[in-house]
Amino acid sequence: QSALTQPASVSGSPGQSITISCTGTSGDVGSYDSVSWYQHHPGKAPKLIIYEVNKRPSGVSDRLSGSKSGNTASLTISGLRAEDEADYYCSSYAVPTIFYVLGTGTKVTVL
Amino acid sequence: EVQLVESGGDLVQPGGSLRLSCAASGFTFSSFEMNWVRQAPGKGLEWVSYITGDSIARYTDSVKGRFTISRDNAKNSLFLQMNSLRAEDTALYYCAREIPNCVGDCLDYWGQGTLVTVSP
Repeated sequence: QSALTQPASVSGSPGQSITISCTGTSGDVGSYDSVSWYQHHPGKAPKLIIYEVNKRPSGVSDRLSGSKSGNTASLTISGLRAEDEADYYCSSYAVPTIFYVLGTGTKVTVL
Repeated sequence: EVQLVESGGDLVQPGGSLRLSCAASGFTFSSFEMNWVRQAPGKGLEWVSYITGDSIARYTDSVKGRFTISRDNAKNSLFLQMNSLRAEDTALYYCAREIPNCVGDCLDYWGQGTLVTVSP
């Protein structure tokens, strides 16, 4: 079971919107509405920002939104801010193979 | 306040063993599924293992037969017994809690991690 595929890096200017893709297969992303997204600032604990494809935990900004189409999930960050600069990871069920699989990670840079 | 505090990371030789612990507080530990996730130096996050409240476990392929996840609900503690360690197991190991009844991993609380280094 390979990791879900994400672009290595995405960048944008403050105020812009960016979208990070997360491509899996019919055995993981395509089969379950189980995609989560995590924001990870280096040196800190990862933070859950989206779960079950498009749900936001309490306290997470509504500038962050998730979606899915077929085997690809997406995270959109609107109104980009300096504090959005971090690494972002998607994840999904991959039953009955690996159980959970994480994405390769995307470094977001705010220009 | 929910807290997860990992411990037990160390420098160990290839082939050696280590037991990681995660002390949980601020929630009813026995009611939550728990996970271990690791990050090798300069690499991305990798899911390692999962355990239900009644100790049903799952593992990523690379650690099957070498790592064992367990929990002590009376002591609010999660463990990861790591045997036959390899250089590629070198990583920061996080314990993380799942949102109950969530579809997928949904890891809403994470510890700060404990560092495992496997080197001669």
